[in-house]
Amino acid sequence: GNSVTQMEGPVTLSEEAFLTINCTYTATGYPSLFWYVQYPGEGLQLLLKATKADDKGSNKGFEATYRKETTSFHLEKGSVQVSDSAVYFCALPFYNQGGKLIFGQGTELSVKP
Amino acid sequence: EAGVTQFPSHSVIEKGQTVTLRCDPISGHDNLYWYRRVMGKEIKFLLHFVKESKQDESGMPNNRFLAERTGGTYSTLKVQPAELEDSGVYFCASSRTGVREQYFGPGTRLTVT
Repeated sequence: GNSVTQMEGPVTLSEEAFLTINCTYTATGYPSLFWYVQYPGEGLQLLLKATKADDKGSNKGFEATYRKETTSFHLEKGSVQVSDSAVYFCALPFYNQGGKLIFGQGTELSVKP
Repeated sequence: EAGVTQFPSHSVIEKGQTVTLRCDPISGHDNLYWYRRVMGKEIKFLLHFVKESKQDESGMPNNRFLAERTGGTYSTLKVQPAELEDSGVYFCASSRTGVREQYFGPGTRLTVT
């Protein structure tokens, strides 16, 4: 079946460190892929997305490239800030099933000054 | 425009009691989704409304859970009777027809003791 596997956390980094959060998926065909972020006390927000293979999604300094050969969508940021501390979720939408989302388990990131 | 709102933000109840969670989607959004995150695991889909109709309730755990969407506006999710394993964060999301992005509320943290 369709699934998303995400690197477990928590991840603790120092400010300006490089971040990678791994995400791999299993799905039929080539679905869109999303990264959502949940900042403390807030709801989930769409961080970035990619709609087809080799697409690169980017937002707020974060990037993720849709790689069909490795079925991956790893999230990266070159220099994290304290304000990036949040929980990050990789997600796969099913448009032929009403658009429901399948999520990875979430990775909690804590950035220390 | 106002975002998705959920009430209450936190609920603590005893096993066997009843709790009702409420979600107010963004005005004009026909699609409404409920998700749940249990004990730091992945966020799981519960059900999907299109206006007032249940489109997909394949993720509802059992018949102790009842969701309604009155007049295609706000939605409620009732848990009766609550069990310990129902503890978690319940998220609501909404989207317009034909638009892929779902907008999430802040979630309701349910604790069953």
